[in-house]
Amino acid sequence: GESVGLHLPTLSVQEGDNSIINCAYSNSASDYFIWYKQESGKGPQFIIDIRSNMDKRQGQRVTVLLNKTVKHLSLQIAATQPGDSAVYFCAERDGANNLFFGTGTRLTVIP
Amino acid sequence: DAGVIQSPRHEVTEMGQEVTLRCKPISGHDYLFWYRQTMMRGLELLIYFNNNVPIDDSGMPEDRFSAKMPNASFSTLKIQPSEPRDSAVYFCASSSTGYYGYTFGSGTRLTVV
Repeated sequence: GESVGLHLPTLSVQEGDNSIINCAYSNSASDYFIWYKQESGKGPQFIIDIRSNMDKRQGQRVTVLLNKTVKHLSLQIAATQPGDSAVYFCAERDGANNLFFGTGTRLTVIP
Repeated sequence: DAGVIQSPRHEVTEMGQEVTLRCKPISGHDYLFWYRQTMMRGLELLIYFNNNVPIDDSGMPEDRFSAKMPNASFSTLKIQPSEPRDSAVYFCASSSTGYYGYTFGSGTRLTVV
């Protein structure tokens, strides 16, 4: 099966700084990627997505970058706030329409 | 829309007992997924349905696990008999054709003692 891995299990940033969360994927045929945010006691929540024909997509304070050459995905959060503290998952969709989730990175924002 | 609704939120049961988890997907969504989340294994897909039909149950760990979707608005995941290693948070998610993201419920935290 696919292997979606994260470089860092934890990340601590100062409030107001920018955060970068990284993700490596293994299936070069994956055509769609999503970042999810999971707060304590809640289910994963969609943040932003990107198709494989793009290399960058921006949302409100979040940007996803896709580098298909090295099969790397990143989530950038601008001006990180305490409410951004959560576990962030990347997910990739394979050719059979299945979503595979990474193990997650815990982001802690220091006030 | 109230989103994906799961019940119960928490379940504590004794080993050997039957456990039934419930899910109401978002109205109009034709895909429904059951996931299990643990610290060791992260999010694991157990089974998913399309138009109430099970499509892939290869993630169901054992015959002790079964899932049904009798109609478009309801699904159950049953564990019989339950074991301590089944302790985890079980999530239900739904999606619709043409939309590739999933909407997750709040999960059921299962503890088997």
